Amino acid sequence: SYELTQPPSVSVSPGQIASITCSGDKLGNKYACWYQQKPGQSPVLVIYQDNKRPSGIPERFSGSNSGNTATLTISGTQAMDEADYYCQAWDSSTAVVFGGGTKLTVL
Amino acid sequence: EVQVLESGGGWLQPGGSLRLSCAGSGFSFSNYAMSWVRQAPGKGLEWVSGTTGSGGNTYYADSVKGRFTISRDNSKNTLYLHMNNLRADDTAVYYCAKGIGRDDYYSMDVWGKGTTVIVS
Repeated sequence: SYELTQPPSVSVSPGQIASITCSGDKLGNKYACWYQQKPGQSPVLVIYQDNKRPSGIPERFSGSNSGNTATLTISGTQAMDEADYYCQAWDSSTAVVFGGGTKLTVL
Repeated sequence: EVQVLESGGGWLQPGGSLRLSCAGSGFSFSNYAMSWVRQAPGKGLEWVSGTTGSGGNTYYADSVKGRFTISRDNSKNTLYLHMNNLRADDTAVYYCAKGIGRDDYYSMDVWGKGTTVIVS
């Protein structure tokens, strides 16, 4: 079965750039999404189809996907961005797969 | 406001059956694919099942194939998840999520608050 690997945790200082990676075999050939989940809340879609931002998501969130790695980048990270982030991939052969999640800490 | 609202969760014994419902509002329900995603206590997200806007195509995770059935009644703006032969590892919060298009069940832009299923 297809697997996506994320680092368990990432730390960043306020105002700095946070990068969260997601690795999978030929991931660049699939569509990648990213979801943000804060404690006790439902997930929120922050990036879809590799690099598109839903309405209402701040411009500081961006995504890329190439080769075996998708990356979520948060520019000018704010305290409110502290959350768990999940990558997710899809193609017609693997259906929908989530990564294990990354806890982003804003120190 | 675009919303989805789950219901039907509960506690039951292994081997039991349950039907979850998800009511959509604020959008043209039949024009959007829908999915169910679950989250076990303290764990990550796991996609369970998805269906296209018409309901004509359905998709399942290997872990639930043959036990769960997704369906929708577009006249009632409602999505369902029929769960049979439930196991302890099906214990989770079950989220209903709206796809971004008629066939795109995998980019989920609106999520409900979830309904809890406990199998014990």
